[in-house]
Amino acid sequence: TQLLEQSPQFLSIQEGENLTVYCNSSSVFSSLQWYRQEPGEGPVLLVTVVTGGEVKKLKRLTFQFGDARKDSSLHITAAQPGDTGLYLCAGAVGGGTSYGKLTFGQGTILTVHP
Amino acid sequence: DTGVSQNPRHKITKRGQNVTFRCDPISEHNRLYWYRQTLGQGPEFLTYFQNEAQLEKSRLLSDRFSAERPKGSFSTLEIQRTEQGDSAMYLCASSFRLNTGELFFGEGSRLTVL
Repeated sequence: TQLLEQSPQFLSIQEGENLTVYCNSSSVFSSLQWYRQEPGEGPVLLVTVVTGGEVKKLKRLTFQFGDARKDSSLHITAAQPGDTGLYLCAGAVGGGTSYGKLTFGQGTILTVHP
Repeated sequence: DTGVSQNPRHKITKRGQNVTFRCDPISEHNRLYWYRQTLGQGPEFLTYFQNEAQLEKSRLLSDRFSAERPKGSFSTLEIQRTEQGDSAMYLCASSFRLNTGELFFGEGSRLTVL
């Protein structure tokens, strides 16, 4: 059974601060995705990383996949209140028909205060 | 709007009753997934379909849970003889087979068992 540990579970910061969320596992994943979820809504995909060491940027968000494809991080620069939400990492093992059978971390609840 | 549609959005039922949730995926997506999310946790994979074929159902939580996708379009998830522990958000997602596993989630169906 693959497990993904996210840390921290809760993060409360002021607008303009930087933050990093970590996602760690002892398992190797063929791809790892980050989602953002708002209360009462389904998760929305932010990014997919598939290559060890890969770094992807999405405006103020930077995602990194570990060299061994066992861990990932999400860094937000100059956080804004609109970044508030639940951030989830999710990993897939194998390819082909396994895509979509994701193992999710427990999530990081981010609150950005104006 | 052509996103993933789920209904009902909320269902309150008494213990022992049967409930059914419906999911209409994005029309060109041939893969459909069901996940369950409890409070404070990330989504947990239950089952998935490619067209009308159910490719994995071993993760369904018990034999009280069943899912169908009779014509390869919409899907239903049925829970028989509900228990209080079944209270959760039931999420449906769809994807196109050849992509890298990006899932498009619906807004979820929240079940409360009294």
